[in-house]
Amino acid sequence: KNEVEQSPQNLTAQEGEFITINCSYSVGISALHWLQQHPGGGIVSLFMLSSGKKKHGRLIATINIQEKHSSLHITASHPRDSAVYICAVPNSRGGSNYKLTFGKGTLLTVNP
Amino acid sequence: GAVVSQHPSWVICKSGTSVKIECRSLDFQATTMFWYRQFPKQSLMLMATSNEGSKATYEQGVEKDKFLINHASLTLSTLTVTSAHPEDSSFYICSARTGSGANVLTFGAGSRLTVL
Repeated sequence: KNEVEQSPQNLTAQEGEFITINCSYSVGISALHWLQQHPGGGIVSLFMLSSGKKKHGRLIATINIQEKHSSLHITASHPRDSAVYICAVPNSRGGSNYKLTFGKGTLLTVNP
Repeated sequence: GAVVSQHPSWVICKSGTSVKIECRSLDFQATTMFWYRQFPKQSLMLMATSNEGSKATYEQGVEKDKFLINHASLTLSTLTVTSAHPEDSSFYICSARTGSGANVLTFGAGSRLTVL
């Protein structure tokens, strides 16, 4: 089973700061997911990426397959970005990308 | 975009009763849906894979007789927590594949179950 480690567990930032959240995993994969979970619990899929970098608005996700590491960046952070950010990977090498192992999440709080 | 609707969003029930949670894909057909559970301050954990027209595949440690999954149509999967106990209190979330062959998952908003 793939082991997923996220850091930091908690992150507090001031509005406007650049945010970085990291994710490392133990078993080689073909794709990695970044998810956002708001206080009410609902989950939104932010990115699925298999190589390089993806950008959506102020969010940027990068992945290094060789190093088994991904980062999620938020530029010009805003209080509405406050949420739990979760990294998820397939739970075994060659396994379906749908059976995911989730990190414990990073709780981001952006203060005005 | 693809939407997965989950209902109810929260439910409180007495110990010993059964609770049904629905997961619907609103604008696409989902041959496969996934059910997850999340305890406070814990990671999401996959409980089972729900396949339309066939039996669900349960993850190790998940009691199939306690967590009944039915996926009778391409747009609806249900999870029934039978004879619920306080330790079943948790946040339950479903997700569905969006598009054939795609690795994109769309998640429901989740259902918070509290068993008294």
